[in-house]
Order: sequence, then structure tokens, then C-alpha cells
Amino acid sequence: QQQVKQSPQSLIVQKGGISIINCAYENTAFDYFPWYQQFPGKGPALLIAIRPDVSEKKEGRFTISFNKSAKQFSLHIMDSQPGDSATYFCAATRVTGGGNKLTFGTGTQLKVEL
Amino acid sequence: DSGVTQTPKHLITATGQRVTLRCSPRSGDLSVYWYQQSLDQGLQFLIQYYNGEERAKGNILERFSAQQFPDLHSELNLSSLELGDSALYFCASSEGDRASAEKLFFGSGTQLSVL
Repeated sequence: QQQVKQSPQSLIVQKGGISIINCAYENTAFDYFPWYQQFPGKGPALLIAIRPDVSEKKEGRFTISFNKSAKQFSLHIMDSQPGDSATYFCAATRVTGGGNKLTFGTGTQLKVEL
Repeated sequence: DSGVTQTPKHLITATGQRVTLRCSPRSGDLSVYWYQQSLDQGLQFLIQYYNGEERAKGNILERFSAQQFPDLHSELNLSSLELGDSALYFCASSEGDRASAEKLFFGSGTQLSVL
């Protein structure tokens, strides 16, 4: 069962534009939502994460927006650069109670064109 | 470089065979996680070990098994291989035993091709 749905599957953005990737989750017990970035030939690397007690978290050009009532969260990449071209995965898990398992979305291939 | 080492990088084998994937975690990390990445299923959690003991289990087939050794390296054994087992297998490590609260460091993966 797909508990984290991610869209779009692929995205092409012009340099300097805003990239937006959306995720929706089903399990209301989830309370930790990280985003991972994966370059070709490499493993995923943690980019930014948010807990549901805040609606937004910003780190540099990367921002997570979180809507608890809608069970949705999104990654915004401002001033997108060619070096941001990678696959992005959202994920979710439950911290309370000792969660160990990250449930990942299916990934979004981002290409930033000059 | 994440500090997590996986070997081999590529593995080509035939159906019915058995293979072993190896993972060395970052220095100081006690937890090792195995994930399977395929085009249609994305990243699927298989199993977690913490300091030598199985801590959490995900969608791991009975044909698959894993262990973590006293030196903390881990091996994932895949047997009676089928075409559908072809995938990228990632190992990740973290300092503690809670993936949700810890930063996971992923290796570069082992690409398994079953022909």
C-alpha cells in the first residue's frame, strides 16, 4: 500500500525558476517528514525535514510547506539551478513510539535547464 | 562521500542463484538499514539492524536475509533469485536506532541484475 504519494513524476524548470514537488500521506500517525535528494550513481542524501508542529521550514533556497489538515507537504526550490537537477524523494515516519521505518514517495526527477 | 561503503557496485547473476551484498556503515554508526529501489516501487524498506540485533522489518521476502556482524558491517543475502529481484539495493546507517529521529546516511548502492 502506497502511504506516501508524490507528484509530479518528472519536472523541468528553467534556471532561476521555482520547482515545486508535492506529497500526500495517509497515515495520520506520521509526525516526521524528510526530503531526500539523489544524484545519479549516488545514494539519497537528507536535504531538509519538518515536523507537523510548524507549517513551514526554510533552509537556504529549499522550503518545506506543511498542511496537516490536508495531510500534504511540499518542497519548494527557489532560484532553481542546473546543479539542483536530481531525483527528490519525500518520506514520512512516526517518531512517537520508536518508529524505525521511513516510507518514501516514488520520487520526482527534476531537470533544471539553462 | 557519505562514509557508507557498499560492495560490489554491480552484480550480474542468473535466476535461481544466491548473492551476498555487503555494507560497512559510517564509523560510529550502530544502525544499518537495507532498502530496495526499483523503478515501479521506489525505495522500499527491507530491514534494520542495531548493534547486531534485528530492530525492524519491512517488505523483505523470505528468500532474503540479513545480518549484522560484531564489527557492525552488514550483509544482505538474496537467494533463489528471480528476474523481479533486479533492483538497486541501498544500505544506510545512522548513529542511533531510530531512523525517524536520526539522519540516515546512504551508500551508493549495489545494482543487481538478474538475467
